[in-house]
Amino acid sequence: NTVMTQSPTSMFISVGDRVTMNCKASQNVGTNVDWYQQKTGQSPKLLIYGASNRYTGVPDRFTGSGSGTDFTLTISNMQAEDLAVYYCLQYNYKYTFGAGTKLELK
Amino acid sequence: EVQLVESGGGLVQPGRSLKLSCAASGFTFSNYYMAWVRQAPKKGLEWVATISTSGSRTYYPDSVKGRFTISRDNAKSSLYLQMNSLKSEDTATYYCARQSYYSRGFDYWGQGVMVTVSS
Repeated sequence: NTVMTQSPTSMFISVGDRVTMNCKASQNVGTNVDWYQQKTGQSPKLLIYGASNRYTGVPDRFTGSGSGTDFTLTISNMQAEDLAVYYCLQYNYKYTFGAGTKLELK
Repeated sequence: EVQLVESGGGLVQPGRSLKLSCAASGFTFSNYYMAWVRQAPKKGLEWVATISTSGSRTYYPDSVKGRFTISRDNAKSSLYLQMNSLKSEDTATYYCARQSYYSRGFDYWGQGVMVTVSS
């Protein structure tokens, strides 16, 4: 089974910050990685598919990168509405989610 | 507008069964793979099952294989999850999700339905 290790577990940020979070796969998953945003009390929402493609309607301050085993989600110019838990997902073989990175206000 | 509405959750004793349903609308249901994803209270997301467009192929993680069965009725635009031999660790919110056109991830999710396994 492919394990997806997300870091950090949580981050305290300020509006306007540039935020970077990571996801490391235990084996090569190519670019078969999505990123999801889940706000409190809501269902997850697709942000990035195929490691680096922004989904329809997602603001361009969200950027995904990486391939193989190392993946990054960057939020430039963090907004208050971006406070959420972010999950990576690999679908190279079956599906495995990372444990999530929670963004909180300083 | 794509909508996925789950139903059938509730409190069930360990070892018993429960069947979840998901009513889909706003898209051609028979054209998409569908899935169930769950989230234990205060925990992360876990994939539970996927079904092909015709229903002929199904996929499960080891944690539920042999206990859970995913199925679909394309005529009714409905997805199902039959859960047998339930355990306390199956307690979670269960989401119905549509597999994305762009990837094998999930582009639409339902609001979720809670399943509590407890005596």
